[in-house]
Amino acid sequence: DVKVTQSSRYLVKRTGEKVFLECVQDMDHENMFWYRQDPGLGLRLIYFSYDVKMKEKGDIPEGYSVSREKKERFSLILESASTNQTSMYLCASSAPGLNEQFFGPGTRLTVL
Amino acid sequence: KQEVTQIPAALSVPEGENLVLNCSFTDSAIYNLQWFRQDPGKGLTSLLLIQSSQREQTSGRLNASLDKSSGRSTLYIAASQPGDSATYLCAAHRSGTYKYIFGTGTRLKVLA
Repeated sequence: DVKVTQSSRYLVKRTGEKVFLECVQDMDHENMFWYRQDPGLGLRLIYFSYDVKMKEKGDIPEGYSVSREKKERFSLILESASTNQTSMYLCASSAPGLNEQFFGPGTRLTVL
Repeated sequence: KQEVTQIPAALSVPEGENLVLNCSFTDSAIYNLQWFRQDPGKGLTSLLLIQSSQREQTSGRLNASLDKSSGRSTLYIAASQPGDSATYLCAAHRSGTYKYIFGTGTRLKVLA
């Protein structure tokens, strides 16, 4: 079974803090994604990576950066957390070809 | 621009009923369409993926169909059970891109 894990299920941070969300997949997938999910807005793509050290901005990259130093790990960084970044963050991975997406359990981030 | 719509937003049915969830997309140039299930506060679980060359896919009590010409996909759930209660999302993967466009989901409640 494909497994995508995320470093925390729940996280509470203060405004201005630097926040790291980590995602690891065990299926040797080339593609990895970070989304945020908000009520009424659905899932929105923050960043996408198609290979180590390669990244593309998604629809809402402002206030976020990413890092992919190893194929299995994709990190989302909030340089200076703000209250409007309170959300559910979901990581996903997929392999080229079929492109079926597999998701992690999510991280519920609250910024106070 | 691809838009994905799921109607209804919420649905309650008695246990044992067969039901159909709808997903409409505006751009027929899709690579595949994927159906997911999401339990409250959790990540997305992949249910079925239909490639653009396919008309339907089946897994157990679930059957998903795809009609690109009309811009529609349906998820059929046979003999519904209380354990099927969840939010169901569809996502269209646009050809030639890495982007998946998600619908906002149908929240299903199966009453015992």
